[in-house]
Amino acid sequence: EDQVTQSPEALRLQEGESSSLNCSYTVSGLRGLFWYRQDPGKGPEFLFTLYSAGEEKEKERLKATLTKKESFLHITAPKPEDSATYLCAVPGAGSYQLTFGKGTKLSVIP
Amino acid sequence: DARVTQTPRHKVTEMGQEVTMRCQPILGHNTVFWYRQTMMQGLELLAYFRNRAPLDDSGMPKDRFSAEMPDATLATLKIQPSEPRDSAVYFCASGLGTGPYEQYFGPGTRLTVT
Repeated sequence: EDQVTQSPEALRLQEGESSSLNCSYTVSGLRGLFWYRQDPGKGPEFLFTLYSAGEEKEKERLKATLTKKESFLHITAPKPEDSATYLCAVPGAGSYQLTFGKGTKLSVIP
Repeated sequence: DARVTQTPRHKVTEMGQEVTMRCQPILGHNTVFWYRQTMMQGLELLAYFRNRAPLDDSGMPKDRFSAEMPDATLATLKIQPSEPRDSAVYFCASGLGTGPYEQYFGPGTRLTVT
């Protein structure tokens, strides 16, 4: 069974303190890894898709990287507005569905 | 600004009552997904449609849940009868493509069954 595990469950950072979130997966024949951001009371918002090991994508203070077993979401010099839950997902057995991890709740303290 | 819309945003109902949630996908998107999110289980896929045809509803309790797409601009998720364990946030998402791809989520319906 495909599995997606995210760590840590929660992370508190001081503003400006860089760190990384981890998403490890067990799936045969990876067809993409997706990162989403979810703010309280809202639906997940798409951030990145990574398709092959070694690939990197960046958006503002976020950079996502992918290896054969895991993905990292690096946050450089975070600001309080980066506080959110970050979810990763991989395609499931079907052609279109995504299996989501339980997320990392990031809190950035001013 | 294209976005997925969901109604109602909040619903409180008593056990045994019927609940219907509605979703309007982004115009032109051909795949629609229904998810349920709880603290314990996270985001779980309930069902999804492509070009209005149901492709997979294995994540839904068949005896009480049903999902339909009467037309390309409306997807519905119905629970009858509702139970307290159905309390969760239900999200609709839509996407466009022929394989796994980014999905765009609505704001969700927060359901409380007492």
